Amino acid sequence: QTVVTQEPSFSVSPGGTVTLTCGLTSGSVSTSNYPSWYQQTPGQAPHTLIYSTNTRSSGVPDRFSGSILGNKAALTITGAQADDESDYYCVLHMGSGIWVFGGGTKLTVL
Amino acid sequence: EVQLVESGGGLVQPGGSLRLSCTASGITFSNYWMHWVRQPPGKGLVWVSRIKSDGSSTTYADSVKGRFTISRDNAKSTLYLQMNSLRAEDTAVYYCARSQGAVPGTIPPYYWGLGTMVAVSS
Repeated sequence: QTVVTQEPSFSVSPGGTVTLTCGLTSGSVSTSNYPSWYQQTPGQAPHTLIYSTNTRSSGVPDRFSGSILGNKAALTITGAQADDESDYYCVLHMGSGIWVFGGGTKLTVL
Repeated sequence: EVQLVESGGGLVQPGGSLRLSCTASGITFSNYWMHWVRQPPGKGLVWVSRIKSDGSSTTYADSVKGRFTISRDNAKSTLYLQMNSLRAEDTAVYYCARSQGAVPGTIPPYYWGLGTMVAVSS
Protein backbone atom coordinates (compact mmCIF):
# COMPACT_ATOMS: atom_id res chain seq x y z
CA GLN A 1 0.00 0.00 0.00
CA THR A 2 1.39 3.37 -1.03
CA VAL A 3 1.94 5.81 1.82
CA VAL A 4 2.17 9.59 1.60
CA THR A 5 5.36 10.79 3.25
CA GLN A 6 6.22 14.08 4.94
CA GLU A 7 9.13 15.15 7.12
CA PRO A 8 8.03 14.61 10.74
CA SER A 9 9.59 17.87 11.82
CA PHE A 10 11.44 20.87 10.46
CA SER A 11 12.96 23.98 11.91
CA VAL A 12 13.41 27.40 10.33
CA SER A 13 14.80 30.70 11.58
CA PRO A 14 12.60 33.79 11.59
CA GLY A 15 12.86 35.41 8.17
CA GLY A 16 14.23 32.23 6.65
CA THR A 17 12.95 29.98 3.89
CA VAL A 18 11.83 26.40 4.32
CA THR A 19 10.55 23.81 1.88
CA LEU A 20 8.36 20.99 3.13
CA THR A 21 7.81 18.00 0.89
CA CYS A 22 5.10 15.45 0.21
CA GLY A 23 6.09 12.22 -1.46
CA LEU A 24 5.03 8.66 -2.10
CA THR A 25 6.64 5.46 -0.87
CA SER A 26 6.07 4.12 -4.37
CA GLY A 27 6.16 6.36 -7.40
CA SER A 28 6.27 10.08 -8.03
CA VAL A 29 3.87 12.87 -7.14
CA SER A 30 2.55 14.80 -10.12
CA THR A 31 -0.02 17.49 -10.75
CA SER A 32 -2.47 14.65 -11.40
CA ASN A 33 -2.39 13.92 -7.67
CA TYR A 34 -3.82 17.45 -7.15
CA PRO A 35 -1.74 18.08 -4.02
CA SER A 36 -3.19 20.37 -1.39
CA TRP A 37 -1.53 21.78 1.70
CA TYR A 38 -3.05 22.61 5.07
CA GLN A 39 -1.91 24.44 8.16
CA GLN A 40 -3.18 23.42 11.59
CA THR A 41 -2.43 24.90 14.98
CA PRO A 42 -3.22 22.88 18.13
CA GLY A 43 -6.91 22.73 18.96
CA GLN A 44 -7.94 24.36 15.70
CA ALA A 45 -9.44 23.08 12.49
CA PRO A 46 -7.14 22.82 9.48
CA HIS A 47 -6.85 25.79 7.14
CA THR A 48 -6.21 25.37 3.43
CA LEU A 49 -3.08 27.05 2.13
CA ILE A 50 -2.62 25.60 -1.36
CA TYR A 51 -4.74 23.47 -3.68
CA SER A 52 -4.20 21.95 -7.10
CA THR A 53 -0.40 21.98 -6.61
CA ASN A 54 0.19 25.73 -6.61
CA THR A 55 -3.05 27.72 -6.24
CA ARG A 56 -3.13 29.78 -3.08
CA SER A 57 -6.32 29.76 -1.10
CA SER A 58 -8.11 33.06 -0.65
CA GLY A 59 -6.33 35.29 1.84
CA VAL A 60 -3.17 33.21 2.05
CA PRO A 61 -0.07 35.44 1.79
CA ASP A 62 2.26 34.95 -1.13
CA ARG A 63 4.98 33.85 1.30
CA PHE A 64 3.39 30.43 0.85
CA SER A 65 3.86 28.71 -2.49
CA GLY A 66 3.32 25.22 -3.84
CA SER A 67 5.15 23.32 -6.54
CA ILE A 68 6.38 19.96 -7.76
CA LEU A 69 10.06 19.50 -6.95
CA GLY A 70 11.52 16.41 -8.49
CA ASN A 71 9.20 13.57 -7.59
CA LYS A 72 7.46 15.30 -4.69
CA ALA A 73 4.98 18.08 -4.02
CA ALA A 74 6.51 20.95 -2.11
CA LEU A 75 5.34 23.79 0.10
CA THR A 76 7.78 26.66 0.39
CA ILE A 77 7.49 29.31 3.07
CA THR A 78 9.62 32.39 2.55
CA GLY A 79 10.24 34.99 5.23
CA ALA A 80 9.07 32.64 7.98
CA GLN A 81 7.25 34.29 10.85
CA ALA A 82 6.63 33.16 14.41
CA ASP A 83 2.97 32.43 13.72
CA ASP A 84 3.94 30.03 10.93
CA GLU A 85 4.83 27.59 13.70
CA SER A 86 2.18 24.93 13.06
CA ASP A 87 1.57 21.46 11.76
CA TYR A 88 1.44 21.20 7.97
CA TYR A 89 -0.34 18.44 6.09
CA CYS A 90 -0.52 17.51 2.45
CA VAL A 91 -3.19 15.42 0.77
CA LEU A 92 -2.95 13.59 -2.54
CA HIS A 93 -5.50 12.07 -4.87
CA MET A 94 -4.55 8.41 -5.32
CA GLY A 95 -7.06 7.74 -8.09
CA SER A 96 -10.58 6.30 -8.02
CA GLY A 97 -11.77 9.08 -5.74
CA ILE A 98 -9.45 8.12 -2.89
CA TRP A 99 -7.51 10.80 -1.02
CA VAL A 100 -4.64 10.18 1.39
CA PHE A 101 -3.08 12.60 3.86
CA GLY A 102 0.57 12.63 4.74
CA GLY A 103 1.58 12.20 8.35
CA GLY A 104 2.20 15.92 8.77
CA THR A 105 5.23 18.09 9.46
CA LYS A 106 5.64 19.96 12.72
CA LEU A 107 7.32 23.26 11.84
CA THR A 108 9.24 25.12 14.50
CA VAL A 109 10.27 28.74 13.99
CA LEU A 110 13.25 29.62 16.16
CA GLU B 1 -20.36 33.95 5.90
CA VAL B 2 -19.64 30.33 5.12
CA GLN B 3 -20.23 27.96 8.00
CA LEU B 4 -19.99 24.21 8.39
CA VAL B 5 -21.24 22.93 11.72
CA GLU B 6 -20.78 19.31 12.70
CA SER B 7 -22.95 17.60 15.29
CA GLY B 8 -23.79 14.14 16.56
CA GLY B 9 -20.53 13.20 18.18
CA GLY B 10 -20.28 11.61 21.60
CA LEU B 11 -19.32 8.53 23.57
CA VAL B 12 -20.37 5.16 22.15
CA GLN B 13 -19.53 1.58 23.06
CA PRO B 14 -17.53 -0.66 20.72
CA GLY B 15 -19.83 -2.20 18.17
CA GLY B 16 -22.26 0.67 18.44
CA SER B 17 -23.48 3.19 15.90
CA LEU B 18 -23.51 6.95 15.56
CA ARG B 19 -24.67 9.38 12.89
CA LEU B 20 -22.80 12.60 12.35
CA SER B 21 -24.33 15.60 10.63
CA CYS B 22 -22.74 18.65 9.03
CA THR B 23 -25.00 21.58 8.28
CA ALA B 24 -23.82 24.18 5.81
CA SER B 25 -24.82 27.82 5.56
CA GLY B 26 -23.68 30.74 3.44
CA ILE B 27 -23.06 28.54 0.39
CA THR B 28 -25.03 26.79 -2.33
CA PHE B 29 -24.44 23.39 -0.78
CA SER B 30 -25.41 21.42 -3.88
CA ASN B 31 -22.48 22.94 -5.82
CA TYR B 32 -19.80 21.30 -3.72
CA TRP B 33 -18.28 17.91 -3.15
CA MET B 34 -18.05 17.10 0.55
CA HIS B 35 -15.57 15.16 2.65
CA TRP B 36 -15.27 13.68 6.11
CA VAL B 37 -11.78 13.78 7.62
CA ARG B 38 -10.87 12.56 11.09
CA GLN B 39 -8.03 13.20 13.50
CA PRO B 40 -7.32 10.77 16.34
CA PRO B 41 -6.17 12.44 19.56
CA GLY B 42 -2.61 13.69 19.18
CA LYS B 43 -2.29 12.31 15.66
CA GLY B 44 -2.55 13.49 12.08
CA LEU B 45 -5.39 14.00 9.65
CA VAL B 46 -6.97 10.94 8.03
CA TRP B 47 -9.28 11.17 5.03
CA VAL B 48 -12.44 9.11 5.60
CA SER B 49 -14.89 9.60 2.75
CA ARG B 50 -16.17 11.92 0.06
CA ILE B 51 -19.41 12.41 -1.84
CA LYS B 52 -20.05 14.10 -5.15
CA SER B 53 -22.12 17.29 -5.25
CA ASP B 54 -25.27 15.50 -6.42
CA GLY B 55 -24.73 12.47 -4.19
CA SER B 56 -24.26 10.12 -7.12
CA SER B 57 -20.75 8.98 -6.22
CA THR B 58 -19.16 8.07 -2.90
CA THR B 59 -15.72 6.76 -1.94
CA TYR B 60 -14.24 5.55 1.34
CA ALA B 61 -10.93 4.85 3.00
CA ASP B 62 -10.28 1.12 3.37
CA SER B 63 -10.36 1.46 7.16
CA VAL B 64 -14.06 2.40 7.15
CA LYS B 65 -15.38 0.76 3.99
CA GLY B 66 -18.39 -1.40 4.74
CA ARG B 67 -18.93 0.20 8.16
CA PHE B 68 -19.43 3.90 7.36
CA THR B 69 -21.86 5.47 4.90
CA ILE B 70 -21.66 9.04 3.64
CA SER B 71 -24.80 10.74 2.34
CA ARG B 72 -26.24 14.19 1.81
CA ASP B 73 -29.53 16.02 1.65
CA ASN B 74 -29.03 19.00 -0.63
CA ALA B 75 -32.49 20.36 0.20
CA LYS B 76 -31.40 20.59 3.84
CA SER B 77 -27.79 21.61 3.07
CA THR B 78 -26.69 18.76 5.29
CA LEU B 79 -24.01 16.08 5.03
CA TYR B 80 -24.17 12.86 7.03
CA LEU B 81 -21.84 10.10 8.14
CA GLN B 82 -23.50 6.94 9.41
CA MET B 83 -20.95 5.01 11.44
CA ASN B 84 -21.66 1.40 12.35
CA SER B 85 -19.64 -1.35 14.05
CA LEU B 86 -17.54 1.30 15.76
CA ARG B 87 -14.12 0.40 17.09
CA ALA B 88 -11.77 2.03 19.58
CA GLU B 89 -9.55 3.10 16.68
CA ASP B 90 -12.41 5.19 15.27
CA THR B 91 -11.99 7.57 18.21
CA ALA B 92 -11.21 10.97 16.71
CA VAL B 93 -12.36 14.47 15.98
CA TYR B 94 -14.43 14.25 12.81
CA TYR B 95 -14.33 17.22 10.45
CA CYS B 96 -16.55 17.86 7.49
CA ALA B 97 -15.06 19.88 4.66
CA ARG B 98 -16.32 21.16 1.37
CA SER B 99 -14.45 21.30 -1.90
CA GLN B 100 -13.35 24.54 -3.49
CA GLY B 101 -15.21 23.73 -6.66
CA ALA B 102 -16.34 20.84 -8.81
CA VAL B 103 -13.49 20.35 -11.30
CA PRO B 104 -10.73 17.81 -10.54
CA GLY B 105 -8.13 20.13 -9.02
CA THR B 106 -10.68 21.73 -6.74
CA ILE B 107 -12.20 18.57 -5.25
CA PRO B 108 -10.03 18.03 -2.14
CA PRO B 109 -11.07 19.35 1.27
CA TYR B 110 -11.00 23.14 1.15
CA TYR B 111 -13.22 24.82 3.75
CA TRP B 112 -13.44 23.01 7.09
CA GLY B 113 -15.88 22.84 9.95
CA LEU B 114 -14.74 22.94 13.55
CA GLY B 115 -15.20 19.22 14.11
CA THR B 116 -17.10 16.94 16.47
CA MET B 117 -15.52 14.43 18.84
CA VAL B 118 -16.34 10.75 18.66
CA ALA B 119 -15.10 8.50 21.45
CA VAL B 120 -15.50 4.73 21.23
CA SER B 121 -14.99 3.10 24.60
CA SER B 122 -16.63 0.70 27.00
